[in-house]
Amino acid sequence: TQLLEQSPQFLSIQEGENLTVYCNSSSVFSSLQWYRQEPGEGPVLLVTVVTGGEVKKLKRLTFQFGDARKDSSLHITAAQPGDTGLYLCAGTDGSYQLTFGKGTKLSVIP
Amino acid sequence: ETGVTQTPRHLVMGMTNKKSLKCEQHLGHNAMYWYKQSAKKPLELMFVYNFKEQTENNSVPSRFSPECPNSSHLFLHLHTLQPEDSALYLCASSQSGVAKNIQYFGAGTRLSVL
Repeated sequence: TQLLEQSPQFLSIQEGENLTVYCNSSSVFSSLQWYRQEPGEGPVLLVTVVTGGEVKKLKRLTFQFGDARKDSSLHITAAQPGDTGLYLCAGTDGSYQLTFGKGTKLSVIP
Repeated sequence: ETGVTQTPRHLVMGMTNKKSLKCEQHLGHNAMYWYKQSAKKPLELMFVYNFKEQTENNSVPSRFSPECPNSSHLFLHLHTLQPEDSALYLCASSQSGVAKNIQYFGAGTRLSVL
């Protein structure tokens, strides 16, 4: 069974601060996705990373896939209140099965 | 608006009721999914349909019965549920093949079983 551990579980920061959240596993994934979920809504896909060591940027968000394709990180620069939400990572072995972490709940205080 | 619409958004039912959740996607995808999201647990994949055929059933109790009449519609029929089945039920869709892991989610149905 593949498991994804996300840390931290909760994060509360002031507007303008930087933060990093982590997604770790002992399993190798063929790709990994990051989603953001706001209260009362479904998860929205932010990025997919496929190649070990890959780095992708989405405005102030930087995503990295570990060299061994077992872990990933999400770094947010100068966090804004609009970044508040539940950040989920999900990995796949190439099948239809996505394995999700429990998520990191981020609160950005104005 | 993700292109995946779920109804109803909220549902309260007793343990002896029968109800159905509906999902419709307008993205031209061929794969559809049901997930369960409970507090303090990761999203759990329940069922996968690819071109209307069920390809995954992750040991889901028989009180949950999926139906996929065509590639755009997915139902989850519920009967004799338990209070522990209270959760957010999410539908997702994707293309088949190499893009199958890029899934688009609906807003979910918040289910409460009394």
